[in-house]
Amino acid sequence: DAGVTQSPTHLIKTRGQQVTLRCSPKSGHDTVSWYQQALGQGPQFIFQYYEEEERQRGNFPDRFSGHQFPNYSSELNVNALLLGDSALYLCASSPSGANYNEQFFGPGTRLTVL
Amino acid sequence: AQSVTQLGSHVSVSEGALVLLRCNYSSSVPPYLFWYVQYPNQGLQLLLKYTSAATLVKGINGFEAEFKKSETSFHLTKPSAHMSDAAEYFCAGLDTGRRALTFGSGTRLQVQP
Repeated sequence: DAGVTQSPTHLIKTRGQQVTLRCSPKSGHDTVSWYQQALGQGPQFIFQYYEEEERQRGNFPDRFSGHQFPNYSSELNVNALLLGDSALYLCASSPSGANYNEQFFGPGTRLTVL
Repeated sequence: AQSVTQLGSHVSVSEGALVLLRCNYSSSVPPYLFWYVQYPNQGLQLLLKYTSAATLVKGINGFEAEFKKSETSFHLTKPSAHMSDAAEYFCAGLDTGRRALTFGSGTRLQVQP
């Protein structure tokens, strides 16, 4: 059983560009959360998707948007990239049932904005 | 709103020594609490979780943590450190309303031979 997978592994963009990151959840999980981890810091919650809708959102600007597909996979889009968007972006999946509290993380996508 | 504080950004121990990583939480109700480990250039791996059952929680790789409501603490311990334990450790609490994890700033554990 594959765990949470993310693509690409690394990405380099320039300021002002747009980027799309992808995540496939663990089998049996229907909820996907995205986190941003800046260098030397703990992950920060961006938003969460369930039933193809954004269910919750952290303190991130509208430049950060997402999508969830019928197969539960998800995308994170960031527009008008800033240098400060350079970070490791982590995707986490969880089930919606009794074990909803346990989130499994993917390996992350390292985004560098030049 | 829930917050999680990790005391000590860096902890260094000798191989075979006790590991103690500190975490305090702030919440009006007993939360769900977690410890995650992150190895260089990797994602987060769950070590253990507290979900209001037993206050002493055992996890993988010989780690355990004790939930102390009176101290609002959830410290992580391991009796004997191994070189392979060198990594970044994050304490996190789950905001059950948002179903989102709130992380501490992390503690980097170094294990000296």
